[in-house]
Amino acid sequence: TQLLEQSPQFLSIQEGENLTVYCNSSSVFSSLQWYRQEPGEGPVLLVTVVTGGEVKKLKRLTFQFGDARKDSSLHITAAQPGDTGLYLCAGLTTSGTYKYIFGTGTRLKVLA
Amino acid sequence: SAVISQKPSRDICQRGTSLTIQCQVDSQVTMMFWYRQQPGQSLTLIATANQGSEATYESGFVIDKFPISRPNLTFSTLTVSNMSPEDSSIYLCSVAGQGQNIQYFGAGTRLSVL
Repeated sequence: TQLLEQSPQFLSIQEGENLTVYCNSSSVFSSLQWYRQEPGEGPVLLVTVVTGGEVKKLKRLTFQFGDARKDSSLHITAAQPGDTGLYLCAGLTTSGTYKYIFGTGTRLKVLA
Repeated sequence: SAVISQKPSRDICQRGTSLTIQCQVDSQVTMMFWYRQQPGQSLTLIATANQGSEATYESGFVIDKFPISRPNLTFSTLTVSNMSPEDSSIYLCSVAGQGQNIQYFGAGTRLSVL
């Protein structure tokens, strides 16, 4: 069974602080996505990383895919209250069937 | 991008009854998926809806309980059958283009079973 463990599970920080969310697995994925979900909405894609070692930046968010394509991290610089939400990583597996495996989730709250 | 309409957005049902959730996409897509999400938690894949053939179910989910239809490339339904309070959850459909590494989600159906 393929599992994606995220840490931390919960995070409450003050506005302006930095944070990192980790997404780890023992399995290799074809690509890895990061989503943010707000209450009452479906997850919204933030970024997709495909190549081992790849780093992508989206304004204050920096995403990295591990060299072995088994893990990823999301770093937020100078967090804002608008960053509050549930962050989910999802690995794409194409061995056998084409499907996404979601991580356990990280709930972030940024206090003003 | 793809716009997904999911109906109903929420429902309250009696145990023993069934509910069918509809997912409509504004463009033809290869892959459609159905997920379940407990409030505040992550997503669990129920099945992949295959156009013109039986859905592919994940471990722990069976066709008798969660029958899925996919008559064409823009529409799918998920039925939650013989419901019990344990089926109370958020059900989400999503679409993806194979090889596109992008997945789009509907807003979900919040189901409560009494």
